[in-house]
Amino acid sequence: QQPVQSPQAVILREGEDAVINCSSSKALYSVHWYRQKHGEAPVFLMILLKGGEQKGHEKISASFNEKKQQSSLYLTASQLSYSGTYFCGTDYMEYGNKLVFGAGTILRVKS
Amino acid sequence: DVKVTQSSRYLVKRTGEKVFLECVQDMDHENMFWYRQDPGLGLRLIYFSYDVKMKEKGDIPEGYSVSREKKERFSLILESASTNQTSMYLCASSLIWLQGGSNQPQHFGDGTRLSIL
Repeated sequence: QQPVQSPQAVILREGEDAVINCSSSKALYSVHWYRQKHGEAPVFLMILLKGGEQKGHEKISASFNEKKQQSSLYLTASQLSYSGTYFCGTDYMEYGNKLVFGAGTILRVKS
Repeated sequence: DVKVTQSSRYLVKRTGEKVFLECVQDMDHENMFWYRQDPGLGLRLIYFSYDVKMKEKGDIPEGYSVSREKKERFSLILESASTNQTSMYLCASSLIWLQGGSNQPQHFGDGTRLSIL
């Protein structure tokens, strides 16, 4: 039941855009997004609740497609600071407050 | 800001030893979690606690146990350490969401890199 993240890795130049997808085979209540820099703790980015919500955080935004059980994270005009591993955490209602995390997407932004 | 503190950044133990990993949070969160992080596998939930003395198994509980005697502290115990438990261990906490599902972010500690020799 682990969600599938794609791509596994992506390399960008500064200023380029990227999309990271998170797909589930089960109905979702919410999707959480986190970023982890090398050697650091994962840091919360945003939560999307079912209902097709779209949220934004500076130049990082995300959408949740309830029909497809998929969430996408959009990184616009990427900066060097965006480098890291991005994880989606999926929340299936019957699991209570627990999340199931994807394997992660490694993002590297080059100057 | 929420602070989740794990007792050690690096730990080296021998096979067969009983190992304790400690985690403390300072924001009065009801939920606390222990994850294991391995390359290519993401974060896998070992155990979860939503209240003092309450615990639920996660996806990979075998070989582990937990203890939550106080709200702010959640301990992970490796009963008899084995080499396949060499990994990065992450603790997290969050507020509880009683309506089911989760709309509360999880706050992570810096992790403990555990090596079992």
